[in-house]
Amino acid sequence: DAGITQSPRHKVTETGTPVTLRCHQTENHRYMYWYRQDPGHGLRLIHYSYGVKDTDKGEVSDGYSVSRSKTEDFLLTLESATSSQTSVYFCAISESRGLADNNEQFFGPGTRLTVL
Amino acid sequence: AQKVTQAQTEISVVEKEDVTLDCVYETRDTTYYLFWYKQPPSGELVFLIRRNSFDEQNEISGRYSWNFQKSTSSFNFTITASQVVDSAVYFCALEFQTGANNLFFGTGTRLTVIP
Repeated sequence: DAGITQSPRHKVTETGTPVTLRCHQTENHRYMYWYRQDPGHGLRLIHYSYGVKDTDKGEVSDGYSVSRSKTEDFLLTLESATSSQTSVYFCAISESRGLADNNEQFFGPGTRLTVL
Repeated sequence: AQKVTQAQTEISVVEKEDVTLDCVYETRDTTYYLFWYKQPPSGELVFLIRRNSFDEQNEISGRYSWNFQKSTSSFNFTITASQVVDSAVYFCALEFQTGANNLFFGTGTRLTVIP
């Protein structure tokens, strides 16, 4: 199994509070991703990183920011949480991206976030 | 437009039956990758297979097999002699080119294997 951990695994917070989710990998993969999973939507990309301090927006990036100061850590921040951000958040990693070998993504265990 | 359709929202089978999960994709690109992932009740996502658009050979891995047909834009997944442990949500995904949004997931098929 790919070495990916997410913390916290569960969090309940109130509307308007900041929240930071952490993803940590031990695989030294270049690419890291944050997804959210909601019923009827499958997985949707929030942000991804292609290297230290290199990030880009995904499909549903509004209301989220990310940072990657080390290869192994990718943080997702909700600056001011809203109820619409209640979801399960998955981190993923991959060695490569797009039309390349080893582009399969490996996922962390997920974080269940509830915003009241 | 890129799109992945898993028309079967939920499937129930009795243990030991064979079951096929359908995946139909849309893309204008000639080069792309297709994936299947499994999400068991515990919630994690498990990578099952990757296939590139130039390789239409079917693949078999134990009780799992995949049928890729470019002519019908389908990448179907068959489980032979299903077991209770196969109960999960299965996602098909399409990756087509570099860029921010280049990996598209279907909405998943929930498979329940009844003992």
